[in-house]
Amino acid sequence: EIVLTQSPGTLSLSPGERATLSCRASQSVSSSYLAWYQQKPGQAPRLLIYGASSRATGIPDRFSGSGSGTDFTLTISRLEPEDFAVYYCQQYGSSPFGFGGGTKVEIK
Amino acid sequence: EVQLVQSGAEVKKPGESLKISCKGSGYSFTSYWIGWVRQMPGKGLEWMGIIYPGDSDTRYSPSFQGQVTISADKSISTAYLQWSSLKASDTAMYYCARSGDGYNLSAFDIWGQGTMVTVSS
Repeated sequence: EIVLTQSPGTLSLSPGERATLSCRASQSVSSSYLAWYQQKPGQAPRLLIYGASSRATGIPDRFSGSGSGTDFTLTISRLEPEDFAVYYCQQYGSSPFGFGGGTKVEIK
Repeated sequence: EVQLVQSGAEVKKPGESLKISCKGSGYSFTSYWIGWVRQMPGKGLEWMGIIYPGDSDTRYSPSFQGQVTISADKSISTAYLQWSSLKASDTAMYYCARSGDGYNLSAFDIWGQGTMVTVSS
């Protein structure tokens, strides 16, 4: 079973700053089958990135994903007020398709 | 519009059974996987399992195997998550979500609104 570890647990930043979130896998994620989701309080998660680097429909280009193998990164180039939320990575290359523990991006 | 609509909140006692539902619309229900995700209060997302309604192929996380049953009725475009004997530790929000690449498993591109299950004596 692949275990995903996200860091940091919490990121305190100001609007306009750049956010860099990390997701590390215990084994290589096949074919870069790695996704990123955003979840706001009281809402269902929303898909941001799939295939490690492809933006989902309607996702602004300030969100970008990169990485391969065991190390993946979600970057938000300039934080907008609506971007403060919790972010999860998920691998879907090998069942069970588990999630990381999440990174909370909060307003500094 | 592609959407998943889940059944309403439930309050149950320990030991009771429960079946919650997730109805798909706006797409070919039999051609995409439907997964279930648990979120305990204040905690992260946990992948429980997934079903392909076209042929009922089902995969479970080892953490949930034997604890829940995932099924689907393709005639009414609905997937289900059921428990035979609830525990207080089953208290959580449960989301269904569509895996968005036909039979090839992919990321969850469409999510239901969630069903809150509360188990308390």
